[in-house]
Amino acid sequence: EAGVAQSPRYKIIEKRQSVAFWCNPISGHATLYWYQQILGQGPKLLIQFQNNGVVDDSQLPKDRFSAERLKGVDSTLKIQPAKLEDSAVYLCASSTGGAKQYFGPGTRLTVT
Amino acid sequence: QKEVEQDPGPLSVPEGAIVSLNCTYSNSAFQYFMWYRQYSRKGPELLMYTYSSGNKEDGRFTAQVDKSSKYISLFIRDSQPSDSATYLCAMSSNNAGNMLTFGGGTRLMVKP
Repeated sequence: EAGVAQSPRYKIIEKRQSVAFWCNPISGHATLYWYQQILGQGPKLLIQFQNNGVVDDSQLPKDRFSAERLKGVDSTLKIQPAKLEDSAVYLCASSTGGAKQYFGPGTRLTVT
Repeated sequence: QKEVEQDPGPLSVPEGAIVSLNCTYSNSAFQYFMWYRQYSRKGPELLMYTYSSGNKEDGRFTAQVDKSSKYISLFIRDSQPSDSATYLCAMSSNNAGNMLTFGGGTRLMVKP
């Protein structure tokens, strides 16, 4: 069974630029999550989707971050404009709706 | 005070040692407890999943949950150099796809 796919794996941008990340969850997983993991810390939830609806986006900085999950499968996370403090690994995870979540390899973002 | 506390380490042990990793938490609503292993530049990999209090064993790994003390542990027997990674504890308050709250991770190094 294929795991969670993410791209790109690495991205370097300058502050105030925009960037987008893509995630393809495990087939059949209705719930999709985006996490931000700052170096040396545990992942922090940004947004949770159930199919193509948002379940929880309370920790998403909505002035600069946006996410969508069209057709309830793939998802994109966008940052516009990026700040230095957005440098982190952005992890996508999926689940069947239970507590077990399966993570992708992440996208490492560096903002200079 | 963070909801989930985890000693960041690093924890260095010789090959073959028994490793004990721990987390404490403050939210008594947590019912689902997980341990993830994260290798450098990789996404977290689900190792152990337990519900409520008790023990669960899987090969060289044993997870323990003591809800009365708000304390969870992961034991690794006969540790191997390949176990060198960061170990993250994670918790959830219900099984309906709710967000995971992570500890900051403990970095483990197993020396040959």
